[in-house]
Amino acid sequence: DAGITQSPRHKVTETGTPVTLRCHQTENHRYMYWYRQDPGHGLRLIHYSYGVKDTDKGEVSDGYSVSRSKTEDFLLTLESATSSQTSVYFCAISEDRARNTEAFFGQGTRLTVV
Amino acid sequence: QKEVEQNSGPLSVPEGAIASLNCTYSDRVSQSFFWYRQYSGKSPELIMSIYSNGDKEDGRFTAQLNKASQYVSLLIRDSQPSDSATYLCAVYTGGFKTIFGAGTRLFVKA
Repeated sequence: DAGITQSPRHKVTETGTPVTLRCHQTENHRYMYWYRQDPGHGLRLIHYSYGVKDTDKGEVSDGYSVSRSKTEDFLLTLESATSSQTSVYFCAISEDRARNTEAFFGQGTRLTVV
Repeated sequence: QKEVEQNSGPLSVPEGAIASLNCTYSDRVSQSFFWYRQYSGKSPELIMSIYSNGDKEDGRFTAQLNKASQYVSLLIRDSQPSDSATYLCAVYTGGFKTIFGAGTRLFVKA
């Protein structure tokens, strides 16, 4: 696997609680992404980052925020978890934005909101 | 209409056969096209990328792109049980926008 580590790998949390997922890379890639994967929907982009402190929204960003204070770390926060945010979350990194080759994905975090 | 459509399958082929996976997309300005393989419970892994019309071969895999028909396919020759996975089609349309299909499950019978 490429040098991407997601933590935690599994989490169960209660509705209304904040949750933070971490993505750590050792590849020094500039671009980082958070996706969620749900049955029948494929991977959907939540937020992305194109550099330290440079982030923007993807197609399903409501209820999520991100931060990137270092090149290697990209955090995804669910401000107040809801059952609709139960999903598998993947972090991805990319070196080449021009062709947007999200070539490397982390192992995923399975989040259950009860 | 979904922006990237794939038949969800499962597509079942016998070992040694050719598996053909198809994907259509709706945005004509799409620039780059990718196939990812995802084993159950694992993360997607990029296996092929194609940027221009025609065929691109890599080992047992061939990607085919037809921009006029807005169609991209993946052929797997000499299919093996280890090829059993979900195959995701992804289409890059510009900026930071890559659209993923929901995937086709492939099952290769030994």
